[in-house]
Amino acid sequence: NAGVTQNPKFQVLKTGQSMTLQCAQDMNHNSMYWYRQDPGMGLRLIYYSASEGTTDKGEVPNGYNVSRLNKREFSLRLESAAPSQTSVYFCASSEGTGGSGYGYTFGSGTRLTVV
Amino acid sequence: GIQVEQSPPDLILQEGANSTLRCNFSDSVNNLQWFHQNPWGQLINLFYIPSGTKQNGRLSATTVATERYSLLYISSSQTTDSGVYFCAVGGYNNNDMRFGAGTRLTVKP
Repeated sequence: NAGVTQNPKFQVLKTGQSMTLQCAQDMNHNSMYWYRQDPGMGLRLIYYSASEGTTDKGEVPNGYNVSRLNKREFSLRLESAAPSQTSVYFCASSEGTGGSGYGYTFGSGTRLTVV
Repeated sequence: GIQVEQSPPDLILQEGANSTLRCNFSDSVNNLQWFHQNPWGQLINLFYIPSGTKQNGRLSATTVATERYSLLYISSSQTTDSGVYFCAVGGYNNNDMRFGAGTRLTVKP
């Protein structure tokens, strides 16, 4: 039982390049989330998907797009990377959304550097 | 959105000491979780505790929802307890969890 799997674990991009961060969960959870963590700070929500087929913006969505491919997979895309997007990205899943009272399971993170 | 404040921001302990970490939040919550981020960056869910008290080994947590705070207790601390402890809260009317800035705990041998 792998939980939440993220790929890649590390990535270096040049400014303007695009890439997709992959996330998959095997717990049959309904909700999935993308967070970013900047040095010395807590996590900030980028996008979430309350259920298959739906996505919504979080606190810091600018510069990102997401796709809920199916119940298991939720991808995050950077269309034109900027140095301000250098961060550690975490994917998480839960049975329900944050306001519904369920615990979160996090992946191990993707460390992204944009030069 | 809900504001979350954690204190203290940094805490240094000798192995074997006890500690209390605090999380204050600005509105009613339907979800409150405590996480430990280890030195390798992995986030581990410690407690789901929107109200009441729970215990798991040397760790326990109490949330007083009416007074809008939660406490995480660590007893007989060990060096493996080092890392950053985050409180995250979710309200009744929003679908995302807001994280505090964390408490960085260092346990010295």
